[in-house]
Amino acid sequence: DQQVKQNSPSLSVQEGRISILNCDYTNSMFDYFLWYKKYPAEGPTFLISISSIKDKNEDGRFTVFLNKSAKHLSLHIVPSQPGDSAVYFCAASPLYSGGGADGLTFGKGTHLIIQP
Amino acid sequence: NAGVTQTPKFQVLKTGQSMTLQCAQDMNHNSMYWYRQDPGMGLRLIYYSASEGTTDKGEVPNGYNVSRLNKREFSLRLESAAPSQTSVYFCASSGGTGGSPLHFGNGTRLTVT
Repeated sequence: DQQVKQNSPSLSVQEGRISILNCDYTNSMFDYFLWYKKYPAEGPTFLISISSIKDKNEDGRFTVFLNKSAKHLSLHIVPSQPGDSAVYFCAASPLYSGGGADGLTFGKGTHLIIQP
Repeated sequence: NAGVTQTPKFQVLKTGQSMTLQCAQDMNHNSMYWYRQDPGMGLRLIYYSASEGTTDKGEVPNGYNVSRLNKREFSLRLESAAPSQTSVYFCASSGGTGGSPLHFGNGTRLTVT
């Protein structure tokens, strides 16, 4: 049973426009959500996170929105740049369960392609 | 600033051979993890170590063993490699405090023929 779902394997967006990546989850115990970005031949890097006490977190061009009632989160990138082309993983865990990532569940990823 | 270093970057094994994947971090993190990534799949946790001297199974531990050699190093061993273990393996570490994100190495691409 896939607890974290990224239903779009790929997404193509024109440079300068907004990129919206979506993620749905099924486990109501999840309280903490993260986005990771991965370039080919590199490891994932942490991008942004949000806890369930918030519905929005912003960091520069990146904003994550959380809708707890719908069990849905989205990552907005504005404006999109060529360097944003990468695979984006959504991840979720119970909040602060000892602090470890052993409870972290990843989605399958969305490949974002920014077209010039 | 090296972060998390994995060796080797690439490896080809024959079925039944053994090998150890090495991982070291220089961020003084308590927790370390081994993940595998397969095409069309997310990252799946193999084993983790919440602190020096402890290790625990993750989601997909069968066929693997781990050693937390010291605070810096966490190795993953395949005793008898199988084609199903063909994958990209990532080591990661975290501070272990509430909500601290994972820092990943650049991965080891393993092919078992």
